[in-house]
Amino acid sequence: DAKTTQPTSMDCAEGRAANLPCNHSTISGNEYVYWYRQIHSQGPQYIIHGLKNNETNEMASLIITEDRKSSTLILPHATLRDTAVYYCIEGTSYGKLTFGQGTILTVHP
Amino acid sequence: GAGVSQSPRYKVAKRGQDVALRCDPISGHVSLFWYQQALGQGPEFLTYFQNEAQLDKSGLPSDRFFAERPEGSVSTLKIQRTQQEDSAVYLCASSLATVHEQYFGPGTRLTVT
Repeated sequence: DAKTTQPTSMDCAEGRAANLPCNHSTISGNEYVYWYRQIHSQGPQYIIHGLKNNETNEMASLIITEDRKSSTLILPHATLRDTAVYYCIEGTSYGKLTFGQGTILTVHP
Repeated sequence: GAGVSQSPRYKVAKRGQDVALRCDPISGHVSLFWYQQALGQGPEFLTYFQNEAQLDKSGLPSDRFFAERPEGSVSTLKIQRTQQEDSAVYLCASSLATVHEQYFGPGTRLTVT
C-alpha cells in the first residue's frame, strides 16, 4: 500500500509556481522522499529527492518539514509541458520506490 | 546517450501463454528494477537487481513471475501461464549504484486476451 497522500488533481497557470503537497506521516528515519512525474504513455521521470534538508535542482525545489511528515514540490515557473502525474514516494536508500496514485497537474495557458 | 530500452513495446498474449519481456539498462548501471503499472494506477515494485544478484523480489505477485539478469546487464522478466490480470505496462528502470535517480524505460504494454 502507498504510504503517501497527495491531492488527486491540481491546476496551475502557465508561468506561475506550482506547489504540490504530500503527506508522508509514517516515513521512517532512513527513508527518502522522492518525486517523479509521468507524462502520458511514458515511463516516470525523476525530479528530485531529499532526506531531511530542503533541496533544489534545475527542475524543482523540495521543501521538507522539520518533522519530515510532509513535503512540497515547487515548480517555479510551470509550462504546458509540465502537465503530468506527479508522484511523491517514500523510498529505501537502494531505490525501491512505492508509488501511490499521484497528483494530476494540469498547467493551462 | 542511449536511455533504458525495452522490448517488445507491445505484446498480446492469449491466456495461458508464456511471455518474456526484455530490458536493456543504461550501460554501467548497477541497479535494475522492474515495476508493474495497471491502467490508471501508479507503478508497483516487482523486483530489484544489483548486478546479477536479485536482492529483492518481494513484489513479484506469484510464482508465475520470474526475473533474471545473468550477466549483470540485460534483464528478462518472464511470466508463465499468463492470466488476464497480468495485463499491464511493465516498466524497467536502472540506476548507478551510488545515486538515487532511476531512469525508466518506455515500458512494455502486455495485453492478455
